[in-house]
Amino acid sequence: AQTVTQSQPEMSVQEAETVTLSCTYDTSENNYYLFWYKQPPSRQMILVIRQEAYKQQNATENRFSVNFQKAAKSFSLKISDSQLGDTAMYFCAFGAGYALNFGKGTSLLVTP
Amino acid sequence: GAGVSQSPSNKVTEKGKDVELRCDPISGHTALYWYRQRLGQGLEFLIYFQGNSAPDKSGLPSDRFSAERTGESVSTLTIQRTQQEDSAVYLCASSFPRASYNEQFFGPGTRLTVL
Repeated sequence: AQTVTQSQPEMSVQEAETVTLSCTYDTSENNYYLFWYKQPPSRQMILVIRQEAYKQQNATENRFSVNFQKAAKSFSLKISDSQLGDTAMYFCAFGAGYALNFGKGTSLLVTP
Repeated sequence: GAGVSQSPSNKVTEKGKDVELRCDPISGHTALYWYRQRLGQGLEFLIYFQGNSAPDKSGLPSDRFSAERTGESVSTLTIQRTQQEDSAVYLCASSFPRASYNEQFFGPGTRLTVL
């Protein structure tokens, strides 16, 4: 079974600063995908970024980037130039079949 | 087109009653998933549909839970004889056939409260 661990229940960052959210996972699979989802108070889960395990290059989407360390089974999310609208729960997820396995989430608060 | 929709948005029921939760996936998405999110927790996989067949029901927590899907369209999740521990947000997602290799698009969820 795959497990996903997010060790930071809550984090806070000032507007315009950079913050990194941690995620580790455990799997025996070789081919898989990793995701970061954002869940604002509206409950809508929004995909932030996706990483294919076979790609060595770290994924980047505008202000969001990941640091994927396959050997260490680590997949952290870096948010640059944080904005007030980034305030949300962030979930790390692992996918090797069809279902996604989610971590418990990190609550991120961006302050003015 | 429209995103994934779910109804009702909120449901309050009494212990022992049956409830039905509905999910309308994005048109053309043949894969459909149900997840449960308990307060302060991540999402817990319940069931996966490919078309109207459910190859994996392993996540359903008990035989009080069942789900069906009409063709490649609407799905309903039914919880019979609800218990207080069933209180959670139930999220539905849909995707193109290759599941985790493609983005799962989520609905806004149904918040179920069992009194």
